[in-house]
Amino acid sequence: AQSVTQPDIHITVSEGASLELRCNYSYGATPYLFWYVQSPGQGLQLLLKYFSGDTLVQGIKGFEAEFKRSQSSFNLRKPSVHWSDAAEYFCAVGARSGNTPLVFGKGTRLSVIA
Amino acid sequence: GAGVSQSPSNKVTEKGKDVELRCDPISGHTALYWYRQSLGQGLEFLIYFQGNSAPDKSGLPSDRFSAERTGGSVSTLTIQRTQQEDSAVYLCASSLGGALLEAFFGQGTRLTVV
Repeated sequence: AQSVTQPDIHITVSEGASLELRCNYSYGATPYLFWYVQSPGQGLQLLLKYFSGDTLVQGIKGFEAEFKRSQSSFNLRKPSVHWSDAAEYFCAVGARSGNTPLVFGKGTRLSVIA
Repeated sequence: GAGVSQSPSNKVTEKGKDVELRCDPISGHTALYWYRQSLGQGLEFLIYFQGNSAPDKSGLPSDRFSAERTGGSVSTLTIQRTQQEDSAVYLCASSLGGALLEAFFGQGTRLTVV
């Protein structure tokens, strides 16, 4: 069964600084990988996804993530953080067999300071 | 509809009472998922529907929890004899199913058991 680890519970960055949120997964084959964002009081919104092909994927709001098979990682990055990026970020893994639910990490809460 | 709709958005109930949570998925989405999000926790998978059948009920925490889906559309999650530990945000998501795992989430129902 697949699993996801997000090592950082809470990260604080200054507005304008770069950001990297870590995600490690466990799965016996190449998984589908996702990053979702949850703003306060909101549902989850998909930021980006990796299915196949180019291991560097671009998402919405200026986010990108890189799939590294050798490290079983799918870290989320943004070169310059905006105050509106403060939210909870969830990494998720899905099995390529399809029709199975996504497995989510526990999330990383991002705070942005001036 | 335009997105996944969940009702009610908030529910306060007394311990021991039964509650029903409703999810109206995106039209045409065959797969429907229920997750539970407790404070400080990630998303805990509860149950998954493909059409009207539930091939994976492994996440239901106890026999007090049940769910059904009718007409391949609306789903209802029922919690009987609610306990305080049932307090959480219950999230519903839908997807086209098959190998297309991108899940679209509703805003959730915040359940508080007092």
